[in-house]
Amino acid sequence: SQQGEEDPQALSIQEGENATMNCSYKTSINNLQWYRQNSGRGLVHLILIRSNEREKHSGRLRVTLDTSKKSSSLLITASRAADTASYFCATTHVYNNNDMRFGAGTRLTVKP
Amino acid sequence: DAGITQSPRHKVTETGTPVTLRCHQTENHRYMYWYRQDPGHGLRLIHYSYGVKDTDKGEVSDGYSVSRSKTEDFLLTLESATSSQTSVYFCAISEGGFQGGYTFGSGTRLTVV
Repeated sequence: SQQGEEDPQALSIQEGENATMNCSYKTSINNLQWYRQNSGRGLVHLILIRSNEREKHSGRLRVTLDTSKKSSSLLITASRAADTASYFCATTHVYNNNDMRFGAGTRLTVKP
Repeated sequence: DAGITQSPRHKVTETGTPVTLRCHQTENHRYMYWYRQDPGHGLRLIHYSYGVKDTDKGEVSDGYSVSRSKTEDFLLTLESATSSQTSVYFCAISEGGFQGGYTFGSGTRLTVV
């Protein structure tokens, strides 16, 4: 069963706008990660946030984590056409870091 | 993707035949994983390895076996392929611990007819 559930399933925005994707999960986690997948390619790791962290930044990416609500959000600022991809959240269980569960993903389309 | 290659990239096979997918890494990472990706399901863990000859089952291991005789190679075998195993298979590697992300291969698209 999926651990993470992304919302929305699909998002379409104009270049320059911000994109926000949300992820909810079910069990206690060790960390939460976000990945990007371009069509027909493998997943690329974007950012990892530990369960004791609340916010993390990497370039144009901002991730928040609320363990009390079991939710996370990924914000991409000043989006570009090259950001068009599917974005997945993944969580590792607090007792087994090798069991990483992915959500079904958010499909982001950035129109030039 | 750098340091990890999957072969073959595409394969069509008949129901009931055995199939082996290969994952090869040059990063000397301890941990290797096999996932399958299906529409609406995201990625689901099939098996993983935490060292040579050390493997464990994932969420959807039925119908699959794995072997790791060398650090750099992790093989996924479908003993008798079924149409429900039509999917895109991804291998991933990790240094391990609780702080690192995974590096994924480019995937193998398997069609069972």
